Amino acid sequence: AQKITQTQPGMFVQEKEAVTLDCTYDTSDPSYGLFWYKQPSSGEMIFLIYQGSYDQQNATEGRYSLNFQKARKSANLVISASQLGDSAMYFCAMRGVSNSNSGYALNFGKGTSLLVTP
Amino acid sequence: GAVVSQHPSRVICKSGTSVKIECRSLDFQATTMFWYRQFPKKSLMLMATSNEGSKATYEQGVEKDKFLINHASLTLSTLTVTSAHPEDSSFYICSARVTSGRETQYFGPGTRLLVL
Repeated sequence: AQKITQTQPGMFVQEKEAVTLDCTYDTSDPSYGLFWYKQPSSGEMIFLIYQGSYDQQNATEGRYSLNFQKARKSANLVISASQLGDSAMYFCAMRGVSNSNSGYALNFGKGTSLLVTP
Repeated sequence: GAVVSQHPSRVICKSGTSVKIECRSLDFQATTMFWYRQFPKKSLMLMATSNEGSKATYEQGVEKDKFLINHASLTLSTLTVTSAHPEDSSFYICSARVTSGRETQYFGPGTRLLVL
């Protein structure tokens, strides 16, 4: 069984500073994918970044980077140069084995609420 | 990026009525879509996997006769909440898996259901 853990219920960061949101996972699957989504108060889930378990390099997407430490089973999201619009809930999620369609479903952590202050 | 639409965005209905929610992939074909449910201040929980041309796969504890899923085409999946009750009030959100290029899943904007 898979498990995603986000231990930070809430985080504060000052505008223009960098912030790291923690995510650890547990799985026995050799192949898996890790995702980060942003959910503003409107409710939509906005895809931010993806890291495959066999990817050699850490994923980066603009101001978002994923600090993937496979041995530690962690996939922390780093947001650089925070902006006020970054205030939202952030969810870490894992995709499991790909030998069935349901295996592509995402298993989500509990989320971290990020507040960016001026 | 790929776009997934969901309709309606918000619905209020009386207890006992049925509500249909549509999920469409607008610029790509999705053989597999997923339906999630989210309670306030909680995470997303997978309800079922919708497979084009075949029966949906439901997660443990999700009543398939209450939450009817139909995936009749490569761009449309529907979730019907039958005989809705107040405890069915929730945020329902679908996602579609992109099978070409970089792996990802795109989510619809969600549907807020309130059953009175």
